[in-house]
Amino acid sequence: DIQMTQSPSSLSASVGDRVTITCRASQGISNYLAWYQQKPGKVPNLLIYAASTLQSGVPSRFSGSGSGTDFTLTISSLQPEDVATYYCQKYNSAFWAFGQGTKVEIK
Amino acid sequence: QLQLQESGPGMVKPSETLSLTCTVSGASISRNSYYWGWIRLPPGKGLEWIGSVDYSGRTFYSPSLKSRVTTSVDTSKNQFSLRLNSVTAADTAVYYCARSPPGTPIDYWGQGTLVTVSS
Repeated sequence: DIQMTQSPSSLSASVGDRVTITCRASQGISNYLAWYQQKPGKVPNLLIYAASTLQSGVPSRFSGSGSGTDFTLTISSLQPEDVATYYCQKYNSAFWAFGQGTKVEIK
Repeated sequence: QLQLQESGPGMVKPSETLSLTCTVSGASISRNSYYWGWIRLPPGKGLEWIGSVDYSGRTFYSPSLKSRVTTSVDTSKNQFSLRLNSVTAADTAVYYCARSPPGTPIDYWGQGTLVTVSS
């Protein structure tokens, strides 16, 4: 089975900072990679799919890159409303898997 | 508009079986080839995929849970279900049902239901 490893597990940054989260798959998954944002008590919200395609309605400060085994989610200018936990997810087959999550806080 | 709604007991005793149902409204569960899945969020931890079932009843389980999980689909009721047996406190979580077309990310989620394992 393919494992998804995210890093860091948490980070604290200032408003306006550039934030980068990485996700690594234990085997190649082409670009079948999504990023979700989850706030406490809420359902996960899809930000990025196909590794780099921005979901409709998501602010352009979010971007994704990567293919194969290594992927990145970038927030170009961190905003207070971005405080949340972020997850990567593979969907190259019926066997889904999530990364462990990255909790983003404001310094 | 497609909607998914989880239902089931909010509390289960240790060693017993957790059973949840997801009712799908706004579309037929049997009409197209989708994956209907279960995901959980334990308190203080991350999202964990549990297992999925497709419209024909084929099942797909997380390797770490497959010895205890059963998923099924009931097309006559437009529902799919999860059974997790021999539960412990570690199975306490918010359980979500979700849908994903093959080769695309999850497009619909249920609101989630908290299941607590406690005697």
